[in-house]
Amino acid sequence: DVVLTQTPPTLSATIGQSVSISCRSSQSLLDSDGDTYLNWLLQRPGQSPQLLIYSVSNLESGVPNRFSGSGSETDFTLKISGVEAEDLGVYYCMQATHAPLTFGSGTKLEIK
Amino acid sequence: EVQLVESGGGLVQPGRSMKLSCAASGFTFSNSVMAWVRQAPTKGLEWVATISYDVSSTYYRDSVKGRFTISRDNAKSTLYLQMNSLRSEDTATYYCTRVNTYYGSYYFDYWGQGVMVTVSS
Repeated sequence: DVVLTQTPPTLSATIGQSVSISCRSSQSLLDSDGDTYLNWLLQRPGQSPQLLIYSVSNLESGVPNRFSGSGSETDFTLKISGVEAEDLGVYYCMQATHAPLTFGSGTKLEIK
Repeated sequence: EVQLVESGGGLVQPGRSMKLSCAASGFTFSNSVMAWVRQAPTKGLEWVATISYDVSSTYYRDSVKGRFTISRDNAKSTLYLQMNSLRSEDTATYYCTRVNTYYGSYYFDYWGQGVMVTVSS
């Protein structure tokens, strides 16, 4: 199975600070069809996960544009440009290029 | 408004069965690939199973293969997960999700609120 390693496991940020979360894959996520199926989700405390970014860098409808995604092959990054209080929670990357679909272990964002 | 409402969870003894349901509304269920994702207490997310829009294909993680069955009733806009021979390690919150596969993508865009399944004697 593809292992997604997220760093850091926890992140503490002040309001307005910009932060980045790394997701490294044990295999290239570039599919033979030319697409890269790497997505980012946020799970706020006590809530279901919600999609933030799909296919590396595409912002889901309704998600603030302070969120952005980048990367290729095995290295991916989620950036939050100006953290807001509502951004606290656990961030997960997930891949759907290789079966079985797998998730990273999560990065917990705390607000100072 | 999109809604995915799971039901059918609870406490079950090891080795017994349980069936989860997910009622969908607010989108074209019959055209949508659907999946179940679970989350053990204080743990991360784990994909469980996926079913194609027309029921022609189903996929399972190895640890549930042969024990769990994903199915759907497009006339009722309802997704199911039949879980047999349950084990303690199946204890988790189970989420019903819609898989968006449009335009060369593959992601879970809609999520239910989740239903808790506890396997314990």
